[in-house]
Amino acid sequence: DVKVTQSSRYLVKRTGEKVFLECVQDMDHENMFWYRQDPGLGLRLIYFSYDVKMKEKGDIPEGYSVSREKKERFSLILESASTNQTSMYLCASTPTQRGLYYGYTFGSGTRLTVV
Amino acid sequence: QQPVQSPQAVILREGEDAVINCSSSKALYSVHWYRQKHGEAPVFLMILLKGGEQKGHEKISASFNEKKQQSSLYLTASQLSYSGTYFCGTLGGSYIPTFGRGTSLIVHP
Repeated sequence: DVKVTQSSRYLVKRTGEKVFLECVQDMDHENMFWYRQDPGLGLRLIYFSYDVKMKEKGDIPEGYSVSREKKERFSLILESASTNQTSMYLCASTPTQRGLYYGYTFGSGTRLTVV
Repeated sequence: QQPVQSPQAVILREGEDAVINCSSSKALYSVHWYRQKHGEAPVFLMILLKGGEQKGHEKISASFNEKKQQSSLYLTASQLSYSGTYFCGTLGGSYIPTFGRGTSLIVHP
């Protein structure tokens, strides 16, 4: 089974801190994604990457950046954490062809609280 | 544009059936369905491609009507393990699915 592992299950950070959320997948998938999940809003795409060093903005990229230096690892960076970034963050991966033919494998999520 | 899921919530007893709908205002190529249990990652259930193909997974099946830009998820003879939030993800002009807000399903003994 494909595994997508997110390094932290829970994080508490202070306003203004730089925050790194890490995600690793073990099935050589080309595509990786970061979503945030908020009650009543569903899953919203922050950034995605279809290759090493490639990144594209999703629907809500403001306040975030990403890094993909290796195929298996995709990092989400909150440059200066704010309270409105308190949320559940989900990483996902899928093989090539993006979502056309393959489902996504999600990590278990990181619940980030910014105080 | 985010697809619309209906209903927002469903409460059932074991053995009852349910239908969850997903509608888009855009032309669709494919639809994903996922289930997320509380505190866990969403789990991929199935993908439906253009062509109206109906697929099944255990006692859960789905249909896709690309002309109506709709997909429906059918849960037959619900089990306690079916409880969770169901999301559809729709793909039209983009290769990335846009997810609905979810439908909460609670199955009681």
